[in-house]
Amino acid sequence: KQEVTQIPAALSVPEGENLVLNCSFTDSAIYNLQWFRQDPGKGLTSLLLIQSSQREQTSGRLNASLDKSSGRSTLYIAASQPGDSATYLCAVRLEGNFNKFYFGSGTKLNVKP
Amino acid sequence: GAGVSQSPSNKVTEKGKDVELRCDPISGHTALYWYRQSLGQGLEFLIYFQGNSAPDKSGLPSDRFSAERTGGSVSTLTIQRTQQEDSAVYLCASSLVRVGGELFFGEGSRLTVL
Repeated sequence: KQEVTQIPAALSVPEGENLVLNCSFTDSAIYNLQWFRQDPGKGLTSLLLIQSSQREQTSGRLNASLDKSSGRSTLYIAASQPGDSATYLCAVRLEGNFNKFYFGSGTKLNVKP
Repeated sequence: GAGVSQSPSNKVTEKGKDVELRCDPISGHTALYWYRQSLGQGLEFLIYFQGNSAPDKSGLPSDRFSAERTGGSVSTLTIQRTQQEDSAVYLCASSLVRVGGELFFGEGSRLTVL
């Protein structure tokens, strides 16, 4: 069974700092990995989708990397802003079972002005 | 539609009443998912639809929960004889079935059972 872990559970940083969020998974036979952002009381917003054949994806100040062999993905946020404060979740989809998503429990980020 | 739409956004009901939650997925998305998120908790999978059929209902917590999808589009999640532990945010998501499909979520329906 695929287990997805996100460490740390919470992170507080001063504005302007670069930071890395971690996502690890136990079954490396993944098809893709997706990063989401969730604001309090809201749904999940898709940030980046990385296919298993890719090593990284970038969108603005966000960069997500994927290392299948080690079962890890990182989300790098450059020059953090208070508006980046939210919970960040990762989800993986397995090869041969595209219909199931396995979610981590998230990292709650607080960027202090 | 432009995004996944859910209604109602908030629902307060009394214990024992039935509730219906609606999800309108992105147009053309054949895969539809229901999740539940209790306060401060992670996502709990409930049910998955491919078209109008539900090949995976493994997450439904009890027989009080049911869901249907019609016309390969709108889905309704029904909770009968609601209990206080049913209080949560119910999230719907949709994606294309084709390989690599990105998952998109609605804003959720917050259910409070008094």
